[in-house]
Amino acid sequence: GENVEQHPSTLSVQEGDSAVIKCTYSDSASNYFPWYKQELGKGPQLIIDIRSNVGEKKDQRIAVTLNKTAKHFSLHITETQPEDSAVYFCAASIDNYGQNFVFGPGTRLSVLP
Amino acid sequence: DVKVTQSSRYLVKRTGEKVFLECVQDMDHENMFWYRQDPGLGLRLIYFSYDVKMKEKGDIPEGYSVSREKKERFSLILESASTNQTSMYLCASSSSGGGNEQFFGPGTRLTVL
Repeated sequence: GENVEQHPSTLSVQEGDSAVIKCTYSDSASNYFPWYKQELGKGPQLIIDIRSNVGEKKDQRIAVTLNKTAKHFSLHITETQPEDSAVYFCAASIDNYGQNFVFGPGTRLSVLP
Repeated sequence: DVKVTQSSRYLVKRTGEKVFLECVQDMDHENMFWYRQDPGLGLRLIYFSYDVKMKEKGDIPEGYSVSREKKERFSLILESASTNQTSMYLCASSSSGGGNEQFFGPGTRLTVL
């Protein structure tokens, strides 16, 4: 079955710097890759996603890149702000409809003022 | 505003008790999911349902069962709670048509003594 690894497990950056979180997946059939952000005391919330027919997607300060050949994808956050502090999860779809995911173990991002 | 609600934020039970965790969504979503979240392990899928009265096992179904009698409600049942079921439980829902986003509830932190 699908296995998703995520690095680093914790990341501290200064406010205004960039943050990069990397994930790898094992099943080449996976075709949908979402990123979720979980703030303290809340459930995860989708922040960006990418499909396998696209190499890069950007939404304001966040971007995701996908390398299908290497089976890895990354989340990039530029100009980090304190409100970016949270736990981030990557995921890979495991069914043809992209409705079911395997999640990575998570990265705790701390943005220091 | 889309909403997934879970019956309790915190729950303390004793070993051997039968435990019910309730989840309700108001988005008319077809799909509903139960995950457990443990540090360093990310979100692991326990059970999911694509329709009323339908259920499928996820990655870690042992010790759990589910019930979906109405479209908006998905219940997770621990038949005989054990200490290794102490965890954060997250419910999510998604639509079958258009998009893959899963909407999460705030979670129930269950402690089994």
